Amino acid sequence: KAGVTQTPRYLIKTRGQQVTLSCSPISGHRSVSWYQQTPGQGLQFLFEYFSETQRNKGNFPGRFSGRQFSNSRSEMNVSTLELGDSALYLCASSERPDAPLHFGNGTRLTVT
Amino acid sequence: GQNIDQPTEMTATEGAIVQINCTYQTSGFNGLFWYQQHAGEAPTFLSYNVLDGLEEKGRFSSFLSRSKGYSYLLLKELQMKDSASYLCAVVDSNYQLIWGAGTKLIIKP
Repeated sequence: KAGVTQTPRYLIKTRGQQVTLSCSPISGHRSVSWYQQTPGQGLQFLFEYFSETQRNKGNFPGRFSGRQFSNSRSEMNVSTLELGDSALYLCASSERPDAPLHFGNGTRLTVT
Repeated sequence: GQNIDQPTEMTATEGAIVQINCTYQTSGFNGLFWYQQHAGEAPTFLSYNVLDGLEEKGRFSSFLSRSKGYSYLLLKELQMKDSASYLCAVVDSNYQLIWGAGTKLIIKP
């Protein structure tokens, strides 16, 4: 089985712009989660989708949004980018919410 | 609030044994995961405990005590490649994962 695929791997954006990140989960996995990781903050939970429904949401501002499609692929969007949004964004999929997560290699976003 | 505590950093010697502790206070409990993350890479799944006791997988073992809100990851016969961050995560009553900040393990020759 192919692993979790995230695109793009690297992205450089300017403050005020918006960005869309994509995640293709492992085939058969219906749960997709998104995380932000920075050196000082560790893994911060953004949101989780299961069968196209947002099941849980972390403590991030409304500029961060996401969605999941019927084929379980997911996207997250960040609008009005700030310098502090520079981070590694990780997507993970699992068969169900309490099953082990399989992470993608992440998208490294740099905001200048 | 929900909280997971792990030591920030630990140092151990190649060939030795190290125990990484994780204590948690969460709204309910539906399991505890340990993940390993090498620098610059994504986390990978190591172990899952939902019942009290020890789970052994080769050089790695994980222990859980639900009554004490405590888990540990035991790494034996340490190798240089074990240098990584180790993340503890608890599944709460809403089946949401609560993550610890991770323990950076440094292995010295």
